[in-house]
Amino acid sequence: GENVEQHPSTLSVQEGDSAVIKCTYSDSASNYFPWYKQELGKRPQLIIDIRSNVGEKKDQRIAVTLNKTAKHFSLHITETQPEDSAVYFCAADTGRRALTFGSGTRLQVQP
Amino acid sequence: NAGVTQTPKFQVLKTGQSMTLQCAQDMNHNSMYWYRQDPGMGLRLIYYSASEGTTDKGEVPNGYNVSRLNKREFSLRLESAAPSQTSVYFCASSAGLAEQETQYFGPGTRLLVL
Repeated sequence: GENVEQHPSTLSVQEGDSAVIKCTYSDSASNYFPWYKQELGKRPQLIIDIRSNVGEKKDQRIAVTLNKTAKHFSLHITETQPEDSAVYFCAADTGRRALTFGSGTRLQVQP
Repeated sequence: NAGVTQTPKFQVLKTGQSMTLQCAQDMNHNSMYWYRQDPGMGLRLIYYSASEGTTDKGEVPNGYNVSRLNKREFSLRLESAAPSQTSVYFCASSAGLAEQETQYFGPGTRLLVL
């Protein structure tokens, strides 16, 4: 089955700096890669996703890049703000519509 | 439009007891999912239902059973609870169509097995 590894497990940045979270996947059949944000005690919520026919996608301060050859994808957050503090999860889907999640990155933005 | 709802919000069980976690969605989604979330391990898929009338095992199905009661409802049953099943359980749903894979999560059920 699919295996998704996520790094780093914790990340602390100063407000205004950029944050990068990286994930690798094992199954070359994976074709959909969402990123979820989970605040403490809340449900995961989708923040951005990318499909395998696209190399990069951007939504305001958030961007995701995908390298199919190397089987890795990354989340980039620019101009970080305290409200960006949360746990971020990457995931991969082989088309069976069953997501495999990474273990999460706890991002802390210091004011 | 409530989205995905789950009951109960919190439950304490003794080892060996049984219970059913309920999930319902009002978005006319075809696919529904059950995940468990343990500290430091992300979300792991227990079972999913790609469409009404079908269910499939996920990564960690042992000790659980599911029922897709109708298009709206997908329940998760623990027949004989064990302390290892202490976790937060999330239900999710998606349209289940190409280019519409986004999964929407419910608020979660916190389960403690003593």
